[in-house]
Amino acid sequence: QVQLVESGGGGVQPGRSLRLSCAATGFTFSGYGMDWVRQAPGKGLEWVAAIWYDGGNKFYAESVKGRFSISRDNSKNTVYLQMDSLRAEDTAVYYCVRVRESFYSTKWFGSRGVFDIWGQGTVVTVSS
Amino acid sequence: DIQMTQSPSTLSASVGDRVTITCRASQSISSWLAWYQQKPGKAPKLLIYQASTLESGVPSRFSGSGSETEFTLTISSLQPDDFATYYCQQYYTYSYTFGQGTKLEIK
Repeated sequence: QVQLVESGGGGVQPGRSLRLSCAATGFTFSGYGMDWVRQAPGKGLEWVAAIWYDGGNKFYAESVKGRFSISRDNSKNTVYLQMDSLRAEDTAVYYCVRVRESFYSTKWFGSRGVFDIWGQGTVVTVSS
Repeated sequence: DIQMTQSPSTLSASVGDRVTITCRASQSISSWLAWYQQKPGKAPKLLIYQASTLESGVPSRFSGSGSETEFTLTISSLQPDDFATYYCQQYYTYSYTFGQGTKLEIK
């Protein structure tokens, strides 16, 4: 069963750090790009970061660039989001998501930013 | 960043109605557009990608169309399970961006 399970969320003071983890099961993790998407309370969806299947390329939203870092360990089927210098506006549910097609698929380019599998989300609250 | 604007923000409709949600991009994104459905307290669910390709398992009453800067999501005959919030998302370029959402309510 294809599944993503996030962990690591919680309450933290402004300026502090937090590391989110996302464990993947049921598919060949090393072939897929992985992203993080967040949703502030009562608000819409915001793309946060992306990492390619081999960790060779990483991309960030301007709102988190320089403060957040995405990484992966393909031997552990896990993707991470290191969040430093947290701000109140980072308060959100953070979803780990899978890019729809494996990088090795001929259909990858047409689905490179499409998210077909979502985790249940982990809540991050930044408050003093 | 490419801005995505959905309309309307809220839509009231009845079971059996045909409804259309519009999504406009601030610049051309070709057909690199996806639609998601989200219910309260749940993660979003992929409905459509590449503007008009239905994701496997999604009912055929959902359809998408458009290209360049203007796109639509149509539900041909609303079912009780369809009342939710819908988001469009461009993946033409990083950073990916979502529309603000359209909440589909029961009239």
